[in-house]
This record gives sequence, C-alpha cells and structure tokens, in this order.
Amino acid sequence: AQSVSQHNHHVILSEAASLELGCNYSYGGTVNLFWYVQYPGQHLQLLLKYFSGDPLVKGIKGFEAEFIKSKFSFNLRKPSVQWSDTAEYFCAVIPRGASKIIFGSGTRLSIRP
Amino acid sequence: KAGVTQTPRYLIKTRGQQVTLSCSPISGHRSVSWYQQTPGQGLQFLFEYFSETQRNKGNFPGRFSGRQFSNSRSEMNVSTLELGDSALYLCASSSFTSGSYNEQFFGPGTRLTVL
Repeated sequence: AQSVSQHNHHVILSEAASLELGCNYSYGGTVNLFWYVQYPGQHLQLLLKYFSGDPLVKGIKGFEAEFIKSKFSFNLRKPSVQWSDTAEYFCAVIPRGASKIIFGSGTRLSIRP
Repeated sequence: KAGVTQTPRYLIKTRGQQVTLSCSPISGHRSVSWYQQTPGQGLQFLFEYFSETQRNKGNFPGRFSGRQFSNSRSEMNVSTLELGDSALYLCASSSFTSGSYNEQFFGPGTRLTVL
C-alpha cells in the first residue's frame, strides 16, 4: 500500500539551529509532493510543493525541500530555525493521476528560545 | 478568494447523539476531503467527495458518513457518538487540473467534544 513515513515524531532544537525533517514515500510512479505546517491553534497551511522541474523547492518562511527520486524522499530543511517555527509539520504525497492525498503522521517541532 | 469555511467551530455532544458538520470549499474547487485529527492518531483520512460522488474512503466505521451537494458544499455526519470521536474534524478542498490533484486547502476545523 502507498504510504508516507515521517520518522521523527518530535524534534527539539534551539533557536538558530539547522533543521532537517525526513519524509519518505512508497510509490514507484510520478508523484506530487507537499509539506504542510500547523502552527499552534491554527489550521493546516501549505509550506511548499513539488510537481516537476527543479527538485529543490523553496517555500514560505525560509523553508526548502529537496526531492530525491532515487531515495523516494522529500526532506524539509531550514538553515536557521526561530522560536516561531514551533509547529507540527506534515509531509504529503499524491500519486500522479490519483484522487487521494496521503499524509505522513507528522513531526512536532519544538524550538527552545 | 474566500478560504475553506467550516461550521460550527465547536461542538459539545453526549454519547449516543448524532452530529452534522458542514464545509464550504473554495469557490471552483470540486473536491472536498474530510480528516479526523487527534493528538494520538495524527491526521486520519475519512473520505473524499468529487462532484457529489464519494471517490475515496478511509478506515472508519459506517457511523461516519458524508455527502456533497451540487454547489460542492459538503456535510459530514457522525451517528451514535462515542467518547473516542472527540477530535478536530478538518475539511480540505482541492482543484483538479490536467488529470492531477493540486494542493489541498484546509479549513479551521470543527472541534467536537463528546461527553
């Protein structure tokens, strides 16, 4: 079955540390890839997306993600996190032509001020 | 464009009752999906509607049902509520371009508490 794995359930970092959140998916064909963020008390919003083209995708608030097809990965990165990045992050995949989006289980990011 | 709206935002019910949640998608979006979000289980997919037809369904009991109207608005119904149904219920809408789904836009959710 198609699935999305986010192996880090809870990540704790200090401000200014670098961030990398892992996302791996299991599907052999072409996919559309997404990272969503849910700040405390707010609704899910799109951070960035990849459909095709340059595998390095830049999103809002300084986030970026790299699609590595050979590794079935779409890891999220940020060079220097801020306290305001405290949130839950979800990776999601839509196999091209499919009608269902598959979400990972989420990674909770806590930033120490 | 207005975002996805969900009503009501908060609900308190007792076990055994039934509840109906409503979702209005972004104008022009024909796909509406519903999710249950809980601290322990994360984001669980309930079902997805497209042009009034249920196209995908998650692993939830038959007490959870939904429908979509011709204007793409959707409702979700939960009958015979159980304590474990307490959760944040999220609705998301999406457009469909060139045979592929675009990103989902989420509403603020309905917080359901079952006592």
